[in-house]
Amino acid sequence: DAGITQSPRHKVTETGTPVTLRCHQTENHRYMYWYRQDPGHGLRLIHYSYGVKDTDKGEVSDGYSVSRSKTEDFLLTLESATSSQTSVYFCAISEAGGNEKLFFGSGTQLSVL
Amino acid sequence: QKEVEQNSGPLSVPEGAIASLNCTYSDRGSQSFFWYRQYSGKSPELIMFIYSNGDKEDGRFTAQLNKASQYVSLLIRDSQPSDSATYLCAARFNDYKLSFGAGTTVTVRA
Repeated sequence: DAGITQSPRHKVTETGTPVTLRCHQTENHRYMYWYRQDPGHGLRLIHYSYGVKDTDKGEVSDGYSVSRSKTEDFLLTLESATSSQTSVYFCAISEAGGNEKLFFGSGTQLSVL
Repeated sequence: QKEVEQNSGPLSVPEGAIASLNCTYSDRGSQSFFWYRQYSGKSPELIMFIYSNGDKEDGRFTAQLNKASQYVSLLIRDSQPSDSATYLCAARFNDYKLSFGAGTTVTVRA
């Protein structure tokens, strides 16, 4: 998957607990994104980053925060997980801006009970 | 609200036939369009992109864009069982963010 590693691949957690998902890339791409995918909704952008320490919100950012301290790592944190955050989370990278020609990681299946 | 709409399917076609997938978008300012293929349980992968009105061909795939009518389509010629997947349409709007449709599931019958 184009040098993108997501961890963990699967996680089950309880409502109210914090959760951090990690995305690691070896492509040295400037842009990194977090999407969630739910049946009937397609892919929805949560947050994205256009450089180290430069991040911005996507369309469904409530309840999520991100950090990017190194070019290769982009972390997504659910401060207090809720059942509505049960989803498949994909990290993606692109060389240029505009979300074009995204390369996706393998995804993380998160279940919040 | 910027929207990308697709028929969810499933679209069932016999092997060797043409599969035709359609996508409409709400924002006339959309500038570029993408088709991603996603196998069940896997991540999306880019198969086509198109920026200008008209057709763009790549192997068995043809993307068609009509900005006046605000639709983009994907044709898969000589469909194979390996083409069975969900196809996601995406559009880039002026704010440089991609919006995805919910996807069309295609099943190719052997």
